[in-house]
Amino acid sequence: SQTIHQWPATLVQPVGSPLSLECTVEGTSNPNLYWYRQAAGRGLQLLFYSVGIGQISSEVPQNLSASRPQDRQFILSSKKLLLSDSGFYLCAWSESLSGPAGSDTQYFGPGTRLTVL
Amino acid sequence: SQKIEQNSEALNIQEGKTATLTCNYTNYSPAYLQWYRQDPGRGPVFLLLIRENEKEKRKERLKVTFDTTLKQSLFHITASQPADSATYLCALAPGYSTLTFGKGTMLLVSP
Repeated sequence: SQTIHQWPATLVQPVGSPLSLECTVEGTSNPNLYWYRQAAGRGLQLLFYSVGIGQISSEVPQNLSASRPQDRQFILSSKKLLLSDSGFYLCAWSESLSGPAGSDTQYFGPGTRLTVL
Repeated sequence: SQKIEQNSEALNIQEGKTATLTCNYTNYSPAYLQWYRQDPGRGPVFLLLIRENEKEKRKERLKVTFDTTLKQSLFHITASQPADSATYLCALAPGYSTLTFGKGTMLLVSP
């Protein structure tokens, strides 16, 4: 069966510090991978998605970046965190033969709670 | 861009009653509409998907309707239980595109 891991579970970082969140998926090949942020009182905001190694699509311009160095590894990074980067970060995967589709079921990881002080 | 409206106020109901949650959308009519459940501090979990040519979908105690004329989906939980308490998110997309999620509605089922 497929599983998705995220770490760390919680993180407290000072403003201006770097960030690296990691997501790995097991039990599937060539998944679509997604990074979402959920801020307090807000919905899920899609940040990045990837349909393959090295292929990243950015949905929201900001000081975050994503990379997919391996098929089942997705990393979210920042060089300098802002207060507004605080939130609940969720990684998700879906199976798709031709990129993201509205019919795809998305499977979410446990999330990382990031607090920027 | 697509705008999704879900009731921001929590829905409080008694155990055994039917809970009905609403998802309204503007702009284009999506080809697919999905419902997810999210517990506090956890990632969302997929529940049901309905296509634009389907009027209704059922899964155990869950029922989803999709009215493309009204641009609305209703999500029903029959014989609700305290364990059904959670936030329910609707998400939609055209054919080949990423999902757009609503903010969700919190459901509280009291014993």
